[in-house]
Amino acid sequence: DQQVKQNSPSLSVQEGRISILNCDYTNSMFDYFLWYKKYPAEGPTFLISISSIKDKNEDGRFTVFLNKSAKHLSLHIVPSQPGDSAVYFCAASVGKSNFNKFYFGSGTKLNVKP
Amino acid sequence: GAVVSQHPSRVICKSGTSVKIECRSLDFQATTMFWYRQFPKKSLMLMATSNEGSKATYEQGVEKDKFLINHASLTLSTLTVTSAHPEDSSFYICSAPNQGSRNYGYTFGSGTRLTVV
Repeated sequence: DQQVKQNSPSLSVQEGRISILNCDYTNSMFDYFLWYKKYPAEGPTFLISISSIKDKNEDGRFTVFLNKSAKHLSLHIVPSQPGDSAVYFCAASVGKSNFNKFYFGSGTKLNVKP
Repeated sequence: GAVVSQHPSRVICKSGTSVKIECRSLDFQATTMFWYRQFPKKSLMLMATSNEGSKATYEQGVEKDKFLINHASLTLSTLTVTSAHPEDSSFYICSAPNQGSRNYGYTFGSGTRLTVV
């Protein structure tokens, strides 16, 4: 039973435009969310996080939005760059500890076209 | 930053043989290592959590006699897929919790693509 879902396996965006990646979760106990980025032949790397006490967190071109009532979060990349082309995973956990179990989505492959 | 080195990156083995996957933390001590597997177009699924010096904790539905995990030191955790079958073909990846209050989440290895023929 997947508790974290990314329903779009792929997304294609023109360079300079906004990329919006979506993630839904089912467990209302989740209170800490992360986005990871993965290039081919490499492990995922941390991108941005948000805890449930916030509804938005921004870091440069990356912004994560959290809608707790809808159990939905999204990652916005503005402006998108070709180097952003990668697979993006969202992950959720109960409690803000790196030693907690994280549940991952299946990933969305973003292609930013020059 | 923290680095987790995972080997091999790709392995093909015959049915019935065993395969060992190693994950090493290169510049920090990993008291805990998480082992995930991913089927095509599916989520990263947690298989087990290994802790240095103690028995691994397996997730429900994961056969501990088939997926042997050893965390013999603070820098090395291994996953051995015993008597591998084609249905064990998957992408296996390890991760260690990041250290420090401002380092969120995990540091992942680069993953191992296992193909059992």
